[in-house]
Amino acid sequence: AQTVTQSQPEMSVQEAETVTLSCTYDTSESDYYLFWYKQPPSRQMILVIRQEAYKQQNATENRFSVNFQKAAKSFSLKISDSQLGDAAMYFCAYRRYSGGGADGLTFGKGTHLIIQP
Amino acid sequence: DVKVTQSSRYLVKRTGEKVFLECVQDMDHENMFWYRQDPGLGLRLIYFSYDVKMKEKGDIPEGYSVSREKKERFSLILESASTNQTSMYLCASSSNNYGYTFGSGTRLTVV
Repeated sequence: AQTVTQSQPEMSVQEAETVTLSCTYDTSESDYYLFWYKQPPSRQMILVIRQEAYKQQNATENRFSVNFQKAAKSFSLKISDSQLGDAAMYFCAYRRYSGGGADGLTFGKGTHLIIQP
Repeated sequence: DVKVTQSSRYLVKRTGEKVFLECVQDMDHENMFWYRQDPGLGLRLIYFSYDVKMKEKGDIPEGYSVSREKKERFSLILESASTNQTSMYLCASSSNNYGYTFGSGTRLTVV
């Protein structure tokens, strides 16, 4: 079974600085998807960024980027120029490639990100 | 704006009651999911459905059942609620390899 590990229960960063959230995973599959989701106090899960394992290039979405190391099974999220609105729980998630979307996501336990003004 | 709607934001039920959590999506998605979220444990998959009347067990199905009579609606049923089922329940839907859309969650308290 796949597992996703987020080793940082909580992280704190000053506004405008850069922070990196760690995620490692374990799988025997070669093709899969990785995601970072944000959950603010409103509880709505919001997709931040996704990465296809077959793509070598790291995904980027504005201030959010990932460092995907397939051999090391590592998938960290870097948030540049942190803003107060970035404060939330962040979840790393895995899904295998096959299944056409019918497979559920496997989530890590989450990292609580605090932004200091 | 596409959305997944969960009928209740907060719910309080008594031990032994039969509880229905409802989820409706308006995106014509084939796949729907129920997750349970607990502090320090992340989200865990309870059940999912890839078609009407079809269902598959997730990682923690014990104590739960589901119903999907129509494509847009996926119900989670607690046959006899217990205090250890006090939790946040999140519904999601998807239609392809990318897009999972989540509801805003139902916080269930069993007393």
